[in-house]
Order: sequence, then structure tokens, then C-alpha cells
Amino acid sequence: DVKVTQSSRYLVKRTGEKVFLECVQDMDHENMFWYRQDPGLGLRLIYFSYDVKMKEKGDIPEGYSVSREKKERFSLILESASTNQTSMYLCASSLLKSTDTQYFGPGTRLTVL
Amino acid sequence: GESVGLHLPTLSVQEGDNSIINCAYSNSASDYFIWYKQESGKGPQFIIDIRSNMDKRQGQRVTVLLNKTVKHLSLQIAATQPGDSAVYFCAERRRGSTLGRLYFGRGTQLTVWP
Repeated sequence: DVKVTQSSRYLVKRTGEKVFLECVQDMDHENMFWYRQDPGLGLRLIYFSYDVKMKEKGDIPEGYSVSREKKERFSLILESASTNQTSMYLCASSLLKSTDTQYFGPGTRLTVL
Repeated sequence: GESVGLHLPTLSVQEGDNSIINCAYSNSASDYFIWYKQESGKGPQFIIDIRSNMDKRQGQRVTVLLNKTVKHLSLQIAATQPGDSAVYFCAERRRGSTLGRLYFGRGTQLTVWP
């Protein structure tokens, strides 16, 4: 089974702090994704990566950056956390082929005070 | 704009009944669709998928129907159980979009009552 893990289930940070969310997958997937999930808005794509050191902006990249130094790890960075970044953050991965099923991690509930 | 959306945000069914969750899409270039289930406090889990060259696909207690004429997708759950209570999302891949990217609907909350 594909396993996608996220470093924290719950995180509380203060406004202005730098926040790192880590995601690791163990299935040698090329693609990795970061979403945020808010009530009534569904899943919104922040950034994704299809290879090491490659990244592409999703629909809501403002206020975020990412890092992919190794194939299995994809990090989401909040340079200066703000209260409107309080959300559920979901990481996913998939193979680089036509069947694009994405497999999700358990999510990180981030609260910015 | 184009979007993947759901007809009903909530659905309540009695245990043992069949459930039907609907999804509309507007992009005629979509060629692959997935249904996900998300239980409270967990990440979305893959349930079933279907390609645009198919009309129907069956899994264990679940069936996905695709009507390309009206751009409509549905998930049918047979003999719904309390463990089926969750939010269900449809997702689509649009031909020509960056490889691997999916577009998600907002989700339907399914509640199963005894």
C-alpha cells in the first residue's frame, strides 16, 4: 500500500513565525502535491512538484513556498505565518503516468494565533 | 468559470438504503475521474475511478456512472452502512493540464442514520 506521511497532525504557531510542513511518501512517486482544505471550499492546490527540485504553482501559492530536495520528500513552507493560513493542509503523491490517482496523507491541522 | 461541483452539499440516508452522490463537471476535455472518501480527521481515500471511454464501473458495494452527454458523474453506494458516513469528493483530470494535476469538487457530506 502507498503510504504518505505528514510530520504533524496538529500544529499551533504564532503570527509571523516560519512554519515547515513535511510530507514523505514511500512509493517512489514522481508527483507530489500540497493542498489546503477549508470548509465549503474543498481542496485547493497550493503547489506541486513532478520531479526533484521542480515545482509549479497551483491556484493559491501566495504566502507559501515549497522545497523538493529528495524524491520522497516535499516540504511546504510558510515564510511568515498569518491567521488566514489557519487550515487543514493535505499532502498527496502520484505516479507520473496517465492514471493520476493521488494518494493522500492524514493531514496537518495548522492553527496560527 | 469551469469547475467540478456537486449538486448537494449534504445527504442523509438510512442504514441499508442505497446512496447516490452526484457530481457535475463542465470541462469537456476531462478524461479521467476519481471518487474519494474523507472520514473525519483523516485524509481523502481513493474509492473508485473511471476513464472517459467508460460509462460504468463497479467496485465492492460502489458503482460509478459517467454520463458524458450531460457531464455528470455519480457514485452509488449499495446497502449503506454507518462506516460510510464521510465527505465524498469527485475529482477530474483535464486533458492538456499539467500531468498529474486533478481538480476537486467541494464535497458531499453523507450521514448514515440507523
